[in-house]
Amino acid sequence: DAGITQSPRHKVTETGTPVTLRCHQTENHRYMYWYRQDPGHGLRLIHYSYGVKDTDKGEVSDGYSVSRSKTEDFLLTLESATSSQTSVYFCAISELAGARSYEQYFGPGTRLTVT
Amino acid sequence: GQNIDQPTEMTATEGAIVQINCTYQTSGFNGLFWYQQHAGEAPTFLSYNVLDGLEEKGRFSSFLSRSKGYSYLLLKELQMKDSASYLCAVRVLIRDNYGQNFVFGPGTRLSVLP
Repeated sequence: DAGITQSPRHKVTETGTPVTLRCHQTENHRYMYWYRQDPGHGLRLIHYSYGVKDTDKGEVSDGYSVSRSKTEDFLLTLESATSSQTSVYFCAISELAGARSYEQYFGPGTRLTVT
Repeated sequence: GQNIDQPTEMTATEGAIVQINCTYQTSGFNGLFWYQQHAGEAPTFLSYNVLDGLEEKGRFSSFLSRSKGYSYLLLKELQMKDSASYLCAVRVLIRDNYGQNFVFGPGTRLSVLP
């Protein structure tokens, strides 16, 4: 199994509070991703990183920010949590495409509830 | 834009064969992936196609036609443990080949009945 962990695994927070989710990898992979998964929507990309300090927005980035100061860590921050951000959040890693498949490996997920 | 379609749900019988279809319209295509996701768990990699044709891996096979924007996942000799969601994803290259994203379909929930 790829070395990728997420913390916390479960969190309940109140509307309006900031929340930070952490993704940590031991594979030295270049790319890191944050997704949210909701019933009927599948996995939707929030933000991704293609290197230290290099990040870009995905399709559902409003209300979220990210930071990557080290190869192994990718942080997702909900600046002011809303009930619509209640979801399961997955972090994923991958390497450069090239000639090999370099599929994504997923972390175990974080279940976030905003009350 | 990027769009991937899959059937929402499918049902099949233990021991049977099932085919899950995926159609996509994307730019910067660089490979198609299938993932399996059991309820409450993370997705896990099943198969990968970047060239047209069939890739076989034990009970699972995946097919790709790039000209038609079409792929399928074939599961043979179905087992109860194959009850899961199956996610079709396209890898797209951006930013001069050092950026890459994965666009996911909504997933197909497969129920295997005894």
